[in-house]
Amino acid sequence: AQKVTQAQTEISVVEKEDVTLDCVYETRDTTYYLFWYKQPPSGELVFLIRRNSFDEQNEISGRYSWNFQKSTSSFNFTITASQVVDSAVYFCALRNRGSTLGRLYFGRGTQLTVWP
Amino acid sequence: DAGVIQSPRHEVTEMGQEVTLRCKPISGHNSLFWYRQTMMRGLELLIYFNNNVPIDDSGMPEDRFSAKMPNASFSTLKIQPSEPRDSAVYFCASSLAGTSSYNEQFFGPGTRLTVL
Repeated sequence: AQKVTQAQTEISVVEKEDVTLDCVYETRDTTYYLFWYKQPPSGELVFLIRRNSFDEQNEISGRYSWNFQKSTSSFNFTITASQVVDSAVYFCALRNRGSTLGRLYFGRGTQLTVWP
Repeated sequence: DAGVIQSPRHEVTEMGQEVTLRCKPISGHNSLFWYRQTMMRGLELLIYFNNNVPIDDSGMPEDRFSAKMPNASFSTLKIQPSEPRDSAVYFCASSLAGTSSYNEQFFGPGTRLTVL
C-alpha cells in the first residue's frame, strides 16, 4: 500500500526563520518517485521538485532544500530565511514505478504561515 | 506553452441543478486526473484517464458524478443532480505517463463550486 504522511497540520514562523516540513512515506516498491507541491492562497497547485528513489542526494534551490533519507522513508523540505510569500499549503506526494499511468498519492498537506 | 485550463473558475448553483466542469490538459500529455479538495477530506482523486480511457474511477463519490474524455484535449466532470455537500474546489491535472518518466502532474487553477 502507498501512503504519505505529513504529520504537521499547521506551522507558524516569523519571517527569516528557517522551517522544515516533514514528509514520511510508505511503499513496498523499491523504485518510486517523490514530489513536493505548493498551494499558495490563490489556490493553484504548483509543482516544486521531484526525486527518484535511487537519488538520495539532497537538493538545494535558492532558499529551498530537500532532504531525502530512504532509511527513514522521509523526504523533508526546508525553507531557509522564510518570507511572507512562502505562506502556503505544501503537499508531499508519492508515485510508485509500477504506477505507470502516473497516479500520485498525496499527503494531507502542511499549512505554513510566515508572519512579518 | 499553456498550462492546464479549467472552466469555469467559479460556479454557484442551486441544489438539484446539473453542473459541468471542463478541462483542457497540456498538449502532449496522455494522463488526466480529476481531484476534489475540501477542508475535511483534503485532496481526493476522483478519476483518472490514460489515452482518453478511464482507468480508475473508484474515487467518484456516487452515481451523481460522471466524467468523460472524448479526445486527448478535453475532459468533463459532470454532477447531476448537485448537492450542497458537493461544494469544493475541483482540480484537473495532466501528466506525461510512462515507465521512464517522473510523471509529475501539472494542475489547473481549479473550479470553485458552491451548491446552495
